[in-house]
Amino acid sequence: SQELEQSPQSLIVQEGKNLTINCTSSKTLYGLYWYKQKYGEGLIFLMMLQKGGEEKSHEKITAKLDEKKQQSSLHITASQPSHAGIYLCGADIRGDYKLSFGAGTTVTVRA
Amino acid sequence: EPEVTQTPSHQVTQMGQEVILRCVPISNHLYFYWYRQILGQKVEFLVSFYNNEISEKSEIFDDQFSVERPDGSNFTLKIRSTKLEDSAMYFCASSELGPFSGANVLTFGAGSRLTVL
Repeated sequence: SQELEQSPQSLIVQEGKNLTINCTSSKTLYGLYWYKQKYGEGLIFLMMLQKGGEEKSHEKITAKLDEKKQQSSLHITASQPSHAGIYLCGADIRGDYKLSFGAGTTVTVRA
Repeated sequence: EPEVTQTPSHQVTQMGQEVILRCVPISNHLYFYWYRQILGQKVEFLVSFYNNEISEKSEIFDDQFSVERPDGSNFTLKIRSTKLEDSAMYFCASSELGPFSGANVLTFGAGSRLTVL
């Protein structure tokens, strides 16, 4: 079965500081999804990575997928209170969108 | 921005009762999914649905579960006889493209919290 490890489990950062979340798969990925979960809002799509070495950015969030397509990182630059939440990575092994999710990383941003 | 709508947001039911969770996917999407998240655990795939039939289901999706697209807009998840362990947040998702179509986005709803007493 697919194993997806996410780290750290939680982190607290000072507003304005950078942070990085990692997601490691035991299998080669067809696609890797990053979502943000907020209570009452479901899973909010952030980015989807498919190609080895791919990097995408949106506002202050950057996600990368390594060349082997087994590890991804999510980096937030100059964090703000709006970045607080639970970040989930979801792995698509076969391209059928049957996603396996990591346990999530809870991000707290302190003013 | 188009969104996936789920109702109810929270339902409390007695063990053994039937529950129907409803979802309105994004209008031009043809592929539908249900996921669930038990409190404190990972989000888990339940079932995918296309062209009025189940495409794939997980081992969680046993005979107590069923899905239906009763009309052109709704997508429902029915739990026939609820158990305590069915208590979870249930997420509906939809996508425009189907499997093996390349880059695609699954858009999730806000979830329906089910509490079984």
